[in-house]
This record gives sequence, C-alpha cells and structure tokens, in this order.
Amino acid sequence: DTGVSQDPRHKITKRGQNVTFRCDPISEHNRLYWYRQTLGQGPEFLTYFQNEAQLEKSRLLSDRFSAERPKGSFSTLEIQRTEQGDSAMYLCASSPDRVSTDTQYFGPGTRLTVL
Amino acid sequence: SQQGEEDPQALSIQEGENATMNCSYKTSINNLQWYRQNSGRGLVHLILIRSNEREKHSGRLRVTLDTSKKSSSLLITASRAADTASYFCGYPPLGTGTYKYIFGTGTRLKVLA
Repeated sequence: DTGVSQDPRHKITKRGQNVTFRCDPISEHNRLYWYRQTLGQGPEFLTYFQNEAQLEKSRLLSDRFSAERPKGSFSTLEIQRTEQGDSAMYLCASSPDRVSTDTQYFGPGTRLTVL
Repeated sequence: SQQGEEDPQALSIQEGENATMNCSYKTSINNLQWYRQNSGRGLVHLILIRSNEREKHSGRLRVTLDTSKKSSSLLITASRAADTASYFCGYPPLGTGTYKYIFGTGTRLKVLA
C-alpha cells in the first residue's frame, strides 16, 4: 500500500514527557501537513512543509511543538513537556505539487493520550 | 474564525434512505472537498468540487456547490450501514497563499440496519 502512514497509531504518556510521531507521506508527494483533531471537532491545521521547508505554522503550534522534514520525505512531530490538553488525534496528510491536483490524502492518525 | 460548519451535527437514518448534509464556509474558495472519517480513523477523501462546478457525482455520492451562498451539500443515496461515519468538508481559503485546509465541525451519520 502506498498511502500515508503514521507511527505509532496510539501513544499513552504521562504529563511532562516528550513524545515524537512519524509520518511517511505518499511517495513523490512534495507537500506534507500536520493537523490536530480533538473529540467531536474537525481537524485543525498545525503546520505544512513543501519538500523540507516548513512554510507555515499555526499559532496552535506552541513552543513545545516542533516539526521537521529533514530530507523532504518523512516528517516528525515532537511535543515536549506534554500537557493533558495535548490529548488529541494527530493527523498527517500529503499532496502532490501539481497545480491541477489539490487533494490532501490523510494517514490513519496517531491518537495521543496524556495522563 | 474561518472554520466552516456542517449541518446537521448528527443524523440518524434507516438503511436505504438518503442522507443529506450541508457545509457552510466563510471565505472565497477555488475548491471544496468532502471527507469521511470512521471512528478513530483518519480521513478518507470522497470527492472534490471546484468553484466553477455546481454539481458532481461519484457513485452514490452527489455534491453541490453554491458559491454565492458559500455552501455545499453532500447527498448519499441508498445509504448502507457501512456509511456510518463522520463527514467533513474541507477547503483551502482563497487568496491567502496557503495550502492548509479549513475543516468544518462534521456531521455524524448513523445508518441503522
């Protein structure tokens, strides 16, 4: 399967710990996005990469959050000193860099629970 | 907030009936997409409609777009129990130079067998 993959699918951590999530986009997709989704809400944009360049960050992305896409392929999202409010589903999406195609394809998500 | 809204928030129907859900958005757009999300899973892309299109079909799905009213609707015909999921509209705000999507709050559809 060549869809977007995310790892891990579930993460339970204690408050104050650091966590890191990984996203592997569809191969040859240049754009990669991170979203956060809380229960009963739609996804909210966090950040976006064009190849390895992080081009946009939401104000939701506090100083405790950092995202990287070092070689323009997979991406990582790290949350430092987790808080209970960080509990959410973290979704990754990718899209090709073609003007005529705008669809973002989503991965299965990583569900984070902060105790 | 640029967040869109889906209406209704929840919908319960019998198998075989049609389901209609609506999406209101707040900005100009050049396309709008509908996604399905099963409980605890990621979003699955259903259909894209561009701002110069008024209606689009894909299998049992029919999407309409009214840019003058800033609204879109998704119709699922002959619903099945497997259609039980949350449905979201998503769109990139036009003119912001951004590729991020703004999502609505979703419609939770339950199809009873």
